[in-house]
Amino acid sequence: LAKTTQPISMDSYEGQEVNITCSHNNIATNDYITWYQQFPSQGPRFIIQGYKTKVTNEVASLFIPADRKSSTLSLPRVSLSDTAVYYCLVGDGKNNAGNMLTFGGGTRLMVKP
Amino acid sequence: DAGITQSPRHKVTETGTPVTLRCHQTENHRYMYWYRQDPGHGLRLIHYSYGVKDTDKGEVSDGYSVSRSKTEDFLLTLESATSSQTSVYFCAISESPPRDTQYFGPGTRLTVL
Repeated sequence: LAKTTQPISMDSYEGQEVNITCSHNNIATNDYITWYQQFPSQGPRFIIQGYKTKVTNEVASLFIPADRKSSTLSLPRVSLSDTAVYYCLVGDGKNNAGNMLTFGGGTRLMVKP
Repeated sequence: DAGITQSPRHKVTETGTPVTLRCHQTENHRYMYWYRQDPGHGLRLIHYSYGVKDTDKGEVSDGYSVSRSKTEDFLLTLESATSSQTSVYFCAISESPPRDTQYFGPGTRLTVL
């Protein structure tokens, strides 16, 4: 299983762009990269998913270099409500019995006024 | 939000007693998962199911058993609860990993005294 490494915590201010990088050196060919967001006392929520290059949705962008050994979640102009824990996951889903995604410790983002 | 409910939402029990947590979905998704979340450990997969009566172990399955007799219900049982099983338990569902999002339930806070 591909493992991921993220910074434990990050601080930012309202209105700034935040970039959270995830390292996944042993990512496999069929692996997708997925990011989740978790607020206190809630379950994680899907943010974005990608395989290579760049993916953008209404919430965030995901940048994946050609070697796919890392990925960067970019949150434009963060607000106080973006304060949460962000998880990077890598999985292949080859196993028909399920995809054992490993969440890891995540990155705790604190947005300050 | 995806139709996932967990019951009970909170439970306090004593060491040695059996405990069953229930996850119920209305989305007809094939895959269901049980995670536990503890400070400093992120989310860890306990067991998962890829169909009715089809289950498999996750990363931290010791002391837990699961059953899935219907598509919509996934039960997690602690045969003899221990204090180390005090945690927040999340159920998740997905249609077809890894491309498809995992949707998480609201969580169950279990305290074993």
